[in-house]
Amino acid sequence: AQTVTQSQPEMSVQEAETVTLSCTYDTSENNYYLFWYKQPPSRQMILVIRQEAYKQQNATENRFSVNFQKAAKSFSLKISDSQLGDTAMYFCAFMRSETSGSRLTFGEGTQLTVNP
Amino acid sequence: SAVISQKPSRDICQRGTSLTIQCQVDSQVTMMFWYRQQPGQSLTLIATANQGSEATYESGFVIDKFPISRPNLTFSTLTVSNMSPEDSSIYLCSAATHQTDTQYFGPGTRLTVL
Repeated sequence: AQTVTQSQPEMSVQEAETVTLSCTYDTSENNYYLFWYKQPPSRQMILVIRQEAYKQQNATENRFSVNFQKAAKSFSLKISDSQLGDTAMYFCAFMRSETSGSRLTFGEGTQLTVNP
Repeated sequence: SAVISQKPSRDICQRGTSLTIQCQVDSQVTMMFWYRQQPGQSLTLIATANQGSEATYESGFVIDKFPISRPNLTFSTLTVSNMSPEDSSIYLCSAATHQTDTQYFGPGTRLTVL
């Protein structure tokens, strides 16, 4: 079974600064996907970024980028130029790579607060 | 990405009653899922809603408590039966296609059981 661990229950950052959220996972699979979702107080789960395990290049989406270390089973999220709207719970998630789609396994989440 | 809506957005129910939550996707999708998020916790998969057949339930969840329907490729329902206060949670549906393998989520239903 896969497990996902987020060791930082809470983090805070000043507006315009950079913050990194940590995520590690455990799996025996070789092909899989990793995701970061954010959940603001509205409770809507919003996809932030996605990484395919077979790709060595780290995914980026505007101010969001990941540091994917497959051998270390580490998948951290870096948020640059933090904005007040980035305040949310962030979940790291793992999905096996199956052609029919597969379940997501979530970490426990990191509550990020961006301070003005 | 798929746009997903859920109804109701929230409800307050009495112990022993049942509530059906609807999930509608704006395009045909391959997979639909139902998750539970208990207060202050992460998301846990309840079941995969299969079109035209019975749902596939995760360990700890049973059909009698959480019956699921999926009559077509864009719609699914989750019923929370014989509710108790422990069922107070946010219930979220998600959907994915073969092409993206990425799950997009509905806005969730906040359920409070008194």
